[in-house]
Parts: sequence; structure tokens; C-alpha cells
Amino acid sequence: AQTVTQSQPEMSVQEAETVTLSCTYDTSESDYYLFWYKQPPSRQMILVIRQEAYKQQNATENRFSVNFQKAAKSFSLKISDSQLGDAAMYFCAYSDMKTSYDKVIFGPGTSLSVIP
Amino acid sequence: DAGITQSPRHKVTETGTPVTLRCHQTENHRYMYWYRQDPGHGLRLIHYSYGVKDTDKGEVSDGYSVSRSKTEDFLLTLESATSSQTSVYFCAISELVKGPSAFFGQGTRLTVV
Repeated sequence: AQTVTQSQPEMSVQEAETVTLSCTYDTSESDYYLFWYKQPPSRQMILVIRQEAYKQQNATENRFSVNFQKAAKSFSLKISDSQLGDAAMYFCAYSDMKTSYDKVIFGPGTSLSVIP
Repeated sequence: DAGITQSPRHKVTETGTPVTLRCHQTENHRYMYWYRQDPGHGLRLIHYSYGVKDTDKGEVSDGYSVSRSKTEDFLLTLESATSSQTSVYFCAISELVKGPSAFFGQGTRLTVV
């Protein structure tokens, strides 16, 4: 069974600095998707970035970028120029391409604090 | 934001009572999901639907049932609420046209006392 692990329950970063959140996953599939979701205090789940496993190029979305290491099954999220609004829970998630529905498996989350 | 509305947003209920949570979408997406969120577990899938009257179980389905009589509505029912079902419940929708990418509702905080 696929699993997603986030080994950092909590992290903090100074405003304007860069922070990297770690995620590892376990799967025997070769084709799959990986995601980072952000959950601010409002509780809304917001899709931050998505990576297709067959694409070698790392996904980027403004200040958010990923480091996707397929062989190592690692999928870290880098937030550059951190802002106070980045404070949130961040969930790493996995979905393979074989299921007929969005079977998304979530990690336990990392709580990110941004220090002014 | 994707058109997903969950109701109620907050509910307190007593152990043993039935509870129904509603998810309504205006996106005409085929797939709808119910997740629960608990500390240390992230989100876990309870049930999902792949069409009207087509539903299936997720990983934590015990004690829950669902129904989907219309494309836009997906109901989650706790037949007899227990304290272990105190959680935040999220509805999500997706279409899978360009690969998985679920959009989530704002969540329902349910407390069973």
C-alpha cells in the first residue's frame, strides 16, 4: 500500500527567508501524481503545486517549487521569500494513475510558522 | 474557488444520534469524496462517488454511509454517532480530465458529546 511520510511535524521560518518541507512516499507504481496542499487557519484546503512523476522537470508555482527525486521517492517543497500568509499546515499527497478515481493519500502534515 | 458548499459548518451532537452532512457542488464534476481530518493523520478517505447512485468505500468507512441521488449532492450519514467520529469532515470534487486534482469544501467541524 502506498504511504506518505512527513517527518517534520512543525517548522518555522523568518519572514523573507527560504524554507524546505520534506516529504517521502512509498509506492511500487511508476506513474503517479504528487501534490502539496496548504491549509491555513481558515481550514480551506488549497492546492499549491502538482507534479507528474513522468515529468523530469520540477514543478514551480511562483514562490513555491519542488525538488522531486523519483529514485529516492522524495518530494520536498521549497518556499522562497516566505510571507506571513504562508503560515499554515502543509500536506504532501500522492495519487496513482491506475485507480478510476482520485485516490489521494495524504501525509500527516507539517505546521509552518512564519516569524516576522 | 470551485463551487463546493458544505453544510452545516459546525455541529455538536450527542452520542447515538444520527447525523447527516451535506456537500453541494455547482461544477458538475463526476467524482465526489468525503474525507475526515484528524491530528497526526492528515486526511483519510471515508467514501467516494463516481456518479449518481454509484458509491464505494474508502479506508475509514466503518460507521458511515453515503448517498448521491443527484450529481450535485453527496450526503454523508453517521448512523449512530460516536465520540471517535468527532473530527473535521471535508468534501472534495474532481473530474480527472487532466489528471487528479481535487478541490475541497471548507470543512465541517463535528463534535460528538
